[in-house]
Amino acid sequence: AQSVTQLGSHVSVSEGALVLLRCNYSSSVPPYLFWYVQYPNQGLQLLLKYTTGATLVKGINGFEAEFKKSETSFHLTKPSAHMSDAAEYFCAVSDLQNSGNTPLVFGKGTRLSVIA
Amino acid sequence: EPEVTQTPSHQVTQMGQEVILRCVPISNHLYFYWYRQILGQKVEFLVSFYNNEISEKSEIFDDQFSVERPDGSNFTLKIRSTKLEDSAMYFCASSPSRGYQPQHFGDGTRLSIL
Repeated sequence: AQSVTQLGSHVSVSEGALVLLRCNYSSSVPPYLFWYVQYPNQGLQLLLKYTTGATLVKGINGFEAEFKKSETSFHLTKPSAHMSDAAEYFCAVSDLQNSGNTPLVFGKGTRLSVIA
Repeated sequence: EPEVTQTPSHQVTQMGQEVILRCVPISNHLYFYWYRQILGQKVEFLVSFYNNEISEKSEIFDDQFSVERPDGSNFTLKIRSTKLEDSAMYFCASSPSRGYQPQHFGDGTRLSIL
């Protein structure tokens, strides 16, 4: 069974500092990987995705993530944090082993706080 | 940009009552999903729906739950005989196709069982 591990339930960074949110997955086949962001009282918004091709993917709001198969990781980064980045971030994985609609398996989420 | 819309945003129900959560997926999407997020826990898959039938469901999705697409736009989740532990945020999602196409999520319905 697939699983997703997000190290650190809460990460706090200073405004302008590097953001690094960690995600590791377990899957028997190369999966599709996603990062979603959840602002307070809102739904899940797609930040970026990796399916095939280039392992460094860029998303919205200056975020990017790199798929490293050897490390089974898909860490999310942003060079310079902004106050508006404060939110909950979820890493998710899906694959095509299932014959159905490939439901997403989510990590527990990481709450990002940005300090002025 | 098209959105997945969910109603109501907050539902308060007495334990034992039935509740219906409603979703309008993005119009050209073919795959529909329900997920839930108990407070402080991860988002969990409940069920997926395609071509007017359930294509996959998790162990959470027992006989208490049912889904329906009663018309060409709505996608509903019915919870019969609600329990306290059903209190959670319920998210609807849709996607145009399987696999690599990302799922688009609604803002959720917060269900509170008293």
